Amino acid sequence: EPEVTQTPSHQVTQMGQEVILRCVPISNHLYFYWYRQILGQKVEFLVSFYNNEISEKSEIFDDQFSVERPDGSNFTLKIRSTKLEDSAMYFCASRRDRGNEKLFFGSGTQLSVL
Amino acid sequence: QQQVKQSPQSLIVQKGGISIINCAYENTAFDYFPWYQQFPGKGPALLIAIRPDVSEKKEGRFTISFNKSAKQFSLHIMDSQPGDSATYFCAASSLDSNYQLIWGAGTKLIIKP
Repeated sequence: EPEVTQTPSHQVTQMGQEVILRCVPISNHLYFYWYRQILGQKVEFLVSFYNNEISEKSEIFDDQFSVERPDGSNFTLKIRSTKLEDSAMYFCASRRDRGNEKLFFGSGTQLSVL
Repeated sequence: QQQVKQSPQSLIVQKGGISIINCAYENTAFDYFPWYQQFPGKGPALLIAIRPDVSEKKEGRFTISFNKSAKQFSLHIMDSQPGDSATYFCAASSLDSNYQLIWGAGTKLIIKP
């Protein structure tokens, strides 16, 4: 069964460093998302991406965050200058097309900012 | 208006019993209500979902009951098994918002053998 894959599974970084989280969505999917989950808390929407541009973003997704689909298969989330409060599990998700509501999630990247 | 309220926060059920998790929403534009199951260290996995044109959907031991007038929906797990122990999230979304999911806070379910 096709799945969303994320790398790395764990990332440890120093405060102020840049990190790039990588995702390979399911190949025929057109809509892509990033969510995050701080330990023990609910899943929070960060950003949605369609047709090579951001379609929606939350207030969490400030100027320190950016997304990119550099080569037609990868979908990346960059945090420019990490803060302690960015420590969380980051999930990538994808959806096939406009009329299909089913969202498929990757296993996540656990980001720890020290 | 964008919130989805989920209860209880945690639930312990004996093996073979019925697990019931409840959610409530306010935004009447929501038209898709999924439940996700999450095991520790894994991403959420879609378990079952419902649209507001039906009041109940059943898949195996899992049933969603939907009350449109009360703006509530619930997950029932029949004959609960230890393997069902996980965190369950309800969510809601709409086509208008590109099916961006609004999540409940999650329920940690423990099934005692």
